Amino acid sequence: DGGITQSPKYLFRKEGQNVTLSCEQNLNHDAMYWYRQDPGQGLRLIYYSQIVNDFQKGDIAEGYSVSREKKESFPLTVTSAQKNPTAFYLCASSIPRSGLKMGNEQFFGPGTRLTVL
Amino acid sequence: EDQVTQSPEALRLQEGESSSLNCSYTVSGLRGLFWYRQDPGKGPEFLFTLYSAGEEKEKERLKATLTKKESFLHITAPKPEDSATYLCAVQAGGSNYKLTFGKGTLLTVNP
Repeated sequence: DGGITQSPKYLFRKEGQNVTLSCEQNLNHDAMYWYRQDPGQGLRLIYYSQIVNDFQKGDIAEGYSVSREKKESFPLTVTSAQKNPTAFYLCASSIPRSGLKMGNEQFFGPGTRLTVL
Repeated sequence: EDQVTQSPEALRLQEGESSSLNCSYTVSGLRGLFWYRQDPGKGPEFLFTLYSAGEEKEKERLKATLTKKESFLHITAPKPEDSATYLCAVQAGGSNYKLTFGKGTLLTVNP
């Protein structure tokens, strides 16, 4: 079955710790994304990558870092610089397409809930 | 700046009571409008993409429609298993990647 996996499902972080969230996909998609979801807010884009070894900041990249060494994998590190990291983190992937009637449908993983202790 | 507003924030229906969810958008050249379903504690599940005004798509009890300013998700004779948060997102014409999401509508269908 093709899909996106995220691990762990739940993660607890102490003050001052860096933690890494895993995202793997076997859909053969070129593009991958990280979003943050908070209660009462829409999904907000943290980072995205359209190709291996390249990634760009989204709307709320401060305090986060990513790498894209393999097409299948796009891990997210939440650093100690992120002051309010408690949230639900979602990874997504898509096939970047251009042209009319070629939307960028994004497919999501199951999410990781991060809690700061 | 692209904007998406969903209404109502929450909707409670009785089983079999049809209704509609609204997604109003402002975007510089719509490339696509997307509907997702999200169950509690899970990732969003893709439902539909709409590209141009007048377009409609259906899946089981759901039908999505699009005008130049808004989209509706019509739910016909809903069942309790349709209870979820429904998210709307838009992609601007100049973007190959960025989706702007609304805050969602929480639908509860009571038996």
